[in-house]
Amino acid sequence: GQQVMQIPQYQHVQEGEDFTTYCNSSTTLSNIQWYKQRPGGHPVFLIQLVKSGEVKKQKRLTFQFGEAKKNSSLHITATQTTDVGTYFCAGPGLGTYKYIFGTGTRLKVLA
Amino acid sequence: ETGVTQTPRHLVMGMTNKKSLKCEQHLGHNAMYWYKQSAKKPLELMFVYNFKEQTENNSVPSRFSPECPNSSHLFLHLHTLQPEDSALYLCASSQIYPNGDTEAFFGQGTRLTVV
Repeated sequence: GQQVMQIPQYQHVQEGEDFTTYCNSSTTLSNIQWYKQRPGGHPVFLIQLVKSGEVKKQKRLTFQFGEAKKNSSLHITATQTTDVGTYFCAGPGLGTYKYIFGTGTRLKVLA
Repeated sequence: ETGVTQTPRHLVMGMTNKKSLKCEQHLGHNAMYWYKQSAKKPLELMFVYNFKEQTENNSVPSRFSPECPNSSHLFLHLHTLQPEDSALYLCASSQIYPNGDTEAFFGQGTRLTVV
């Protein structure tokens, strides 16, 4: 079946350092979404990418969709303690509304 | 903050108990979902309801029984669970557009412990 993997599984960074998480799907995706889950919280939608090679920015966050639409990345510039949490990518499975979530990357930011 | 409300927030139940989780969405969405989140599988899709019809059952054991009486409410009935079913159960809703675009809004979750 379709699988969505993320690396790394965990990442500890010093505040101010950059952070990147990578998402890889076993199948081509029509779009990809990113979510953030704070410790003790629930996943919150961040963004959706649709076009091949698309790059979107939200303040210090940069999201990229691969040319083959099978991978994506999230890059955070100059991390802050508020960036702590688990970042998930999600891509649609066989049905367009059946989103398969990636394994997640847990980010810890050390002050 | 969230337009998706789940109750209870915490639940401890014995293996012979029967309990139900409730989810209500106030966003006018046409699809609702149950996810299981545990250390082993971060976000595992269990059930999908689109326009009140169950369109997905992701090989979930029969001890989990979903019910969607209308587009705003979703239940997960639990009976004879196992300790390994202990997890965070998340409900989500979304509006599915003709082009397939959708964005999931999650509830706060129910932390379930089976003893």
